Amino acid sequence: DAGVTQSPTHLIKTRGQQVTLRCSPISGHKSVSWYQQVLGQGPQFIFQYYEKEERGRGNFPDRFSARQFPNYSSELNVNALLLGDSALYLCASSSAGTVYNEQFFGPGTRLTVL
Amino acid sequence: AQSVTQPDIHITVSEGASLELRCNYSYGATPYLFWYVQSPGQGLQLLLKYFSGDTLVQGIKGFEAEFKRSQSSFNLRKPSVHWSDAAEYFCAVGENTGNQFYFGTGTSLTVIP
Repeated sequence: DAGVTQSPTHLIKTRGQQVTLRCSPISGHKSVSWYQQVLGQGPQFIFQYYEKEERGRGNFPDRFSARQFPNYSSELNVNALLLGDSALYLCASSSAGTVYNEQFFGPGTRLTVL
Repeated sequence: AQSVTQPDIHITVSEGASLELRCNYSYGATPYLFWYVQSPGQGLQLLLKYFSGDTLVQGIKGFEAEFKRSQSSFNLRKPSVHWSDAAEYFCAVGENTGNQFYFGTGTSLTVIP
C-alpha cells in the first residue's frame, strides 16, 4: 500500500515568489496536516484539514494557506516567500480529524528560498 | 501556552546500553503524548502514544515510555540500544481543544559500537 506522498521532493524559489506543495494521503484517510520543520528543530504545526474543512491552525502568518480536495489530497500555498520559509514541509495523514489519531508522515518537500 | 521540552539535544550511547530520552510538557489538561522517530531519508514514524490509563506504555522496536503527571514528564526508554536506533527522536503533545500538535526540538541519538 502506498504511504503518504508529497510533491515535489525539492524546490528552489526566490524571495517574494509563491509556492504550492502537494500531498496525497494514505487511501482511506480523510485528514491531512501540514508541518514546517526548520533545520535542527522539531516540526511546527501549520494546518489540519478533515473532510475538506480546516480543523486546526498553528501560529503562522496569513501568507500560508491550504485546502483539501474531494479526494482528500491537499495543497499548501505560501505567498511572498521569505528566506525564513526555507524548511522541510511535512504532510501527515490520519483516518480522523482528532489529535489522538495516529498520523502517518510523508517524506517531505525541501523548500529553499534564495 | 503549550510547550514541549527535550532537554538533551544530543545523546551518545554504546550499543547494548540502556537509553532514556527526556521529555517535559506544559499543558493544563490531560495531554495526549507521543514519541516519534525520524531517520535520515525516512519520514517520521510513531513509536508510542499515551492518552489515558496505564502510565507505562509499550511501543514498537522495544521502546517504552512512562507518563508522570507530577513531573509533567513522558520519558522514553529502551533497555538495550541497537545501532539501528541511531536517529532523531521527537516528543509531541496533542491539544484536543484547539486540535493542534506540538513537537519538541528533538534529541539526536548516536550509537557507538
